[in-house]
Amino acid sequence: DTGVSQNPRHKITKRGQNVTFRCDPISEHNRLYWYRQTLGQGPEFLTYFQNEAQLEKSRLLSDRFSAERPKGSFSTLEIQRTEQGDSAMYLCASSLTELFFGEGSRLTVL
Amino acid sequence: GQQVMQIPQYQHVQEGEDFTTYCNSSTTLSNIQWYKQRPGGHPVFLIQLVKSGEVKKQKRLTFQFGEAKKNSSLHITATQTTDVGTYFCAATDPGGGADGLTFGKGTHLIIQP
Repeated sequence: DTGVSQNPRHKITKRGQNVTFRCDPISEHNRLYWYRQTLGQGPEFLTYFQNEAQLEKSRLLSDRFSAERPKGSFSTLEIQRTEQGDSAMYLCASSLTELFFGEGSRLTVL
Repeated sequence: GQQVMQIPQYQHVQEGEDFTTYCNSSTTLSNIQWYKQRPGGHPVFLIQLVKSGEVKKQKRLTFQFGEAKKNSSLHITATQTTDVGTYFCAATDPGGGADGLTFGKGTHLIIQP
């Protein structure tokens, strides 16, 4: 499978715990994006990388959120001290022009 | 920041009827993309429109970009049950230098057989 891969697909955690999601983009794509989607809403932009450089961060991304793409290939999104409001689907996408989304990582914070 | 508004939020149609969703922006867009998300799935790219007044067709789907590049529409002729899902428009911020696509809230298409 040469699509965008995300794991874990599902994560249930208690409030206050840290979680990390991983995204493996399509190999020839230099751009990588993180979005968050809640039920019935459109994807909300969080951050974006071109190669290993993080070029843009949304104001939605609080200090508890950090994303890395250390070698310009896979990326991780870490949420520290999770809150119930962080419960959502976290979507990764890679692109040359249009976005190719992964299946997402669903986070439930109890 | 960039905002794109979509209407309607929900659309119920009988199978075989036509469907249209509209996307509007208060600012001029450099381009617009459309995505489809099936229930339980992830957004899948449909098309990108770049030119003022552009019209593109994909089988029963017709996409239009307004002359002022502030609005766009997606029209589906003779809907089928496979068309069920949420249709999103998405645009980049033309003036702010931001490259992250901003998505509308989507139009949820429900088809009654």
